[in-house]
Amino acid sequence: GENVEQHPSTLSVQEGDSAVIKCTYSDSASNYFPWYKQELGKRPQLIIDIRSNVGEKKDQRIAVTLNKTAKHFSLHITETQPEDSAVYFCAASRGGSYIPTFGRGTSLIVHP
Amino acid sequence: EADIYQTPRYLVIGTGKKITLECSQTMGHDKMYWYQQDPGMELHLIHYSYGVNSTEKGDLSSESTVSRIRTEHFPLTLESARPSHTSQYLCASSEPTGRETQYFGPGTRLLVL
Repeated sequence: GENVEQHPSTLSVQEGDSAVIKCTYSDSASNYFPWYKQELGKRPQLIIDIRSNVGEKKDQRIAVTLNKTAKHFSLHITETQPEDSAVYFCAASRGGSYIPTFGRGTSLIVHP
Repeated sequence: EADIYQTPRYLVIGTGKKITLECSQTMGHDKMYWYQQDPGMELHLIHYSYGVNSTEKGDLSSESTVSRIRTEHFPLTLESARPSHTSQYLCASSEPTGRETQYFGPGTRLLVL
């Protein structure tokens, strides 16, 4: 089955700095890679996703890059703000009868 | 508004009691999931369903059971609650094949005394 590893488990940055969270996956057939943000006491929510036919996708201050050859994808947050503080989860899936596999999460702390 | 709902939001119960956590979605999704999550920690898949009359066990061994009699409803039952069941339970549903984005409910926080 699919295995997704996520690093780091904790990331502490100063407001205004950039933050990068990395995930690797094992199943080369995986073709959909979403990122979820879970604020304290709230439910996880999709913030950005990328499909395997795209190398990079941006949405304002967040971006995701995908390297299919190396089987890894990353979340980039620029100009971090305190409200970016949350736990971020990556996931990989291949549709059909397969169930998405989540990474173990990264706790991002943005210090004012 | 299309959403996914969970009740109760909080539950404190004694050891040995039978409980059912409710999950309903108005999104028309076929796939539904139950996750167990300690606060801020990883998501453990305990059950999932492809549609009506389909139920599967997830990666985390669980003493709970689920049923899927209607598309929109996916309840989780614990026959005999134990302190080790204390956790948050998140229900989710996902779009049809091709995108697999998961939409999560607000969760049920369970405390077993």
